[in-house]
Amino acid sequence: EAGVAQSPRYKIIEKRQSVAFWCNPISGHATLYWYQQILGQGPKLLIQFQNNGVVDDSQLPKDRFSAERLKGVDSTLKIQPAKLEDSAVYLCASSFGQGGSGANVLTFGAGSRLTVL
Amino acid sequence: AQSVTQLDSHVSVSEGTPVLLRCNYSSSYSPSLFWYVQHPNKGLQLLLKYTSAATLVKGINGFEAEFKKSETSFHLTKPSAHMSDAAEYFCVVSARYGNKLVFGAGTILRVKS
Repeated sequence: EAGVAQSPRYKIIEKRQSVAFWCNPISGHATLYWYQQILGQGPKLLIQFQNNGVVDDSQLPKDRFSAERLKGVDSTLKIQPAKLEDSAVYLCASSFGQGGSGANVLTFGAGSRLTVL
Repeated sequence: AQSVTQLDSHVSVSEGTPVLLRCNYSSSYSPSLFWYVQHPNKGLQLLLKYTSAATLVKGINGFEAEFKKSETSFHLTKPSAHMSDAAEYFCVVSARYGNKLVFGAGTILRVKS
């Protein structure tokens, strides 16, 4: 099966500019996740969708980050305006059901690396 | 709440020698535990998972991990390291019936020839 697709792979922007990342999950996976991975740290969940509804966005900095999953398939994560501390790899993952239990393992994309200058 | 502590940020072994990557967890509920591997510029790949069945879990590429409730540990082992094992490894915990994964900070494994 095709994996989780993400684009762009790399992006360099100036602070206060905006950026958007796109994710296409594995076909049939109802749950989609966006993680932020800062260099030297483990991934941190930003937002989780179940179909096109938000399940958890408690760690999403809502003053600058937004995400949507129209039609319950692919998703876009936007940052506006970007700050230096947003430099990170943004990972998208999907699972058949709600992840965490053994039956619903997450499959990750290769990530989008953002550098904010 | 769940948390994970990976006890070593870097581990260096010689090719052909055993690998031990240590992980301790904290969970208010019976946990699910996972190990993921991340090669440079690649996505995270699941190595193995524990979900309340056998406490010794076998994964891909010869890796295995043992769930020890009394020690709240889930250490990852491999009898003989290969050069291709060089990567970053993440221990992950989730409440058994929850849906939020909490990642450790990662352990970078270096394999010397």
